[in-house]
Amino acid sequence: DGGITQSPKYLFRKEGQNVTLSCEQNLNHDAMYWYRQDPGQGLRLIYYSQIVNDFQKGDIAEGYSVSREKKESFPLTVTSAQKNPTAFYLCASSIASPRGTNTGELFFGEGSRLTVL
Amino acid sequence: SQKIEQNSEALNIQEGKTATLTCNYTNYSPAYLQWYRQDPGRGPVFLLLIRENEKEKRKERLKVTFDTTLKQSLFHITASQPADSATYLCAPYNQGGKLIFGQGTELSVKP
Repeated sequence: DGGITQSPKYLFRKEGQNVTLSCEQNLNHDAMYWYRQDPGQGLRLIYYSQIVNDFQKGDIAEGYSVSREKKESFPLTVTSAQKNPTAFYLCASSIASPRGTNTGELFFGEGSRLTVL
Repeated sequence: SQKIEQNSEALNIQEGKTATLTCNYTNYSPAYLQWYRQDPGRGPVFLLLIRENEKEKRKERLKVTFDTTLKQSLFHITASQPADSATYLCAPYNQGGKLIFGQGTELSVKP
């Protein structure tokens, strides 16, 4: 069964701690993304990666870090510098963009809900 | 800056009626627009994509329109069912660019 797996589904963190959210896909997609969702708001892009060993900041990258050492994996670290980390985090992937052929459809994981105590 | 606006209030309709959801965008000229469905506590699921040169797209009970002059997309669900209750997100997009999501409209279909 192809898809995206996020873990853990629920995570609690004390203030001042770093936490890492896992995202693995077996869809053979080149592009991967991390979004944050807060109640009543749309998804906001944190980081994205179009290819292994390369990634770009999204709109709200401050306080977050990522790595893309393998095509299938794109972990997100929420650092202690993130002022308000309590949120629902969504990982997604898509076929990367050969010129003119990518329609940009995203495949999402089930999300990770992070709560800071 | 680019801005996407969807109906901020929840939409409540009776089973069997047509639900119409609105997505307006400003300071933006997307070549594509996507619609996703999101159930509580779950990740969004892709529903439909419409291109700027397509005025209308249909898939089963779903219909999407894309008016680049009005900068608006309408999403219709005909013969709505309680199982259609969810939040629906629109996401304009340009080739090679980032999807920008609206905040979503919550739809509730009552039996």
